[in-house]
Amino acid sequence: AQSVTQPDIHITVSEGASLELRCNYSYGATPYLFWYVQSPGQGLQLLLKYFSGDTLVQGIKGFEAEFKRSQSSFNLRKPSVHWSDAAEYFCAVGESGGGADGLTFGKGTHLIIQP
Amino acid sequence: DAGVIQSPRHEVTEMGQEVTLRCKPISGHNSLFWYRQTMMRGLELLIYFNNNVPIDDSGMPEDRFSAKMPNASFSTLKIQPSEPRDSAVYFCASSTDPNEQFFGPGTRLTVL
Repeated sequence: AQSVTQPDIHITVSEGASLELRCNYSYGATPYLFWYVQSPGQGLQLLLKYFSGDTLVQGIKGFEAEFKRSQSSFNLRKPSVHWSDAAEYFCAVGESGGGADGLTFGKGTHLIIQP
Repeated sequence: DAGVIQSPRHEVTEMGQEVTLRCKPISGHNSLFWYRQTMMRGLELLIYFNNNVPIDDSGMPEDRFSAKMPNASFSTLKIQPSEPRDSAVYFCASSTDPNEQFFGPGTRLTVL
C-alpha cells in the first residue's frame, strides 16, 4: 500500500526567507506525486505535480519540488516566502495521473510566516 | 466554470439524524472523489466514481455511509444514522483522467 510521510507538523519561517517542506513516500512503482495547499476554510489547490520526465517541477505561486527516487522524496521549496503563503501544505501520491484513482495524502505541514 | 460545488457548506445535526452531503463536479469531468478530513486522521479517500460507477469504496468507514452518483453532474454522500465521530470536513473532488483533481470548498459537518 502506498503511504506519504510529512515529518514536520509545523514550520515557522520568516517572511522573505527560503522554505523547504519535506515529503517522503512509499510506493512500489513509479509514483505520481502532488503538492496541494489549503488555506483556512478553503478547499485544496494544486501547487504542482510530477508524473515523469524532469525531476525538478515548477508550480504556481513560485513553488518548485524535486523528485528524488533514491531518497523516495518529493520536497517542496520556495526561495522567498510571502505572508500569504501561510497555509496547510499536503503532499500526495497517486497510482495514475491523479484522475482515475484516489490520492493518498500526508498528514500535512502547517506553515507559519513570521513578519 | 464555477468549479466543484458542494452543499451545504456547514451542517450541524444531532446524533442519530440522517445527513446528506451534495456535490456537483466540474462539467466534463468523469471522475469524482469523496474525502474526509479530520485532525486525527488527516485527509482520507472515502470513495471514488468513474463515469458514475463506484470504483473503490474501501475507504467508507462503515455501513452507515453510502454514496451515489445518479448522473454525471451530481453525487451525494449520506450518513445514516450520524454519530459525533463523523464530525469532519468532507471534500468532493473531480477530474478528467489523468489530470489533477479539483477540490470543492468542503462541507463542515458537526454531529452533536
